[in-house]
Amino acid sequence: DVQMTQSPSSVSASVGDRVTITCRASHGISTWLAWYQQKPGRAPKLLIYASSSLQGGVPSRFSGSGSGTDFTLTISSLQPEDFATYYCQQANSFPLAFGGGTKVEIK
Amino acid sequence: EVQLVESGGGFVQPGGSLRLSCVASGFAFRTYAMNWVRQSPGKGPEWISYISSTSTTIYYADSVQGRFTISRDNAKNSLYLQMNTLRVEDTAMYYCARKYDFSVAGLAIDSWGQGALVTVSS
Repeated sequence: DVQMTQSPSSVSASVGDRVTITCRASHGISTWLAWYQQKPGRAPKLLIYASSSLQGGVPSRFSGSGSGTDFTLTISSLQPEDFATYYCQQANSFPLAFGGGTKVEIK
Repeated sequence: EVQLVESGGGFVQPGGSLRLSCVASGFAFRTYAMNWVRQSPGKGPEWISYISSTSTTIYYADSVQGRFTISRDNAKNSLYLQMNTLRVEDTAMYYCARKYDFSVAGLAIDSWGQGALVTVSS
């Protein structure tokens, strides 16, 4: 089974900051990696699939990269609505696995 | 607009059973594979089960294998999760979640319901 490890678990940042979140897979998963944003009391929302493809309607300040075992999610200029928890998910094989999450908090 | 609406959650004692339902609308449910994903308070999502569009392929997480059963009724646009022998650690929000029907996305999930809360406690 593939396990996913995210870092950091939390980050404090200000509006306008660049934020980078990393995700590591225990085995190579090519580019079968998705990123989700979750706000309190809401379901997760797909941001990026296939490591770097932006889901429709997602602002271009979000970007993803990586392949194999190491991946990153970058928010180029943090906006107030981006304060949330972010999860990666390996989309390569069953059982699906999510990372532990990264909470982006207001500094 | 894609909508997934779960129901059937509630409070149950350890060892008990519950059946969750998810009614889909706004898309051709019969052509999409579906998942159940749960999330315990303060934790990340945990995938628990998958069913293909025609029910021919089904997978479970080890944590629920043998206790939970996923099924669907395409005529009713509905997905189900029968949960038996419930444990305290099964307490979570349970989400009905649609597999992205786009080959390059792999097993990503593109739509989620609002969730059904299951609480297992004595």
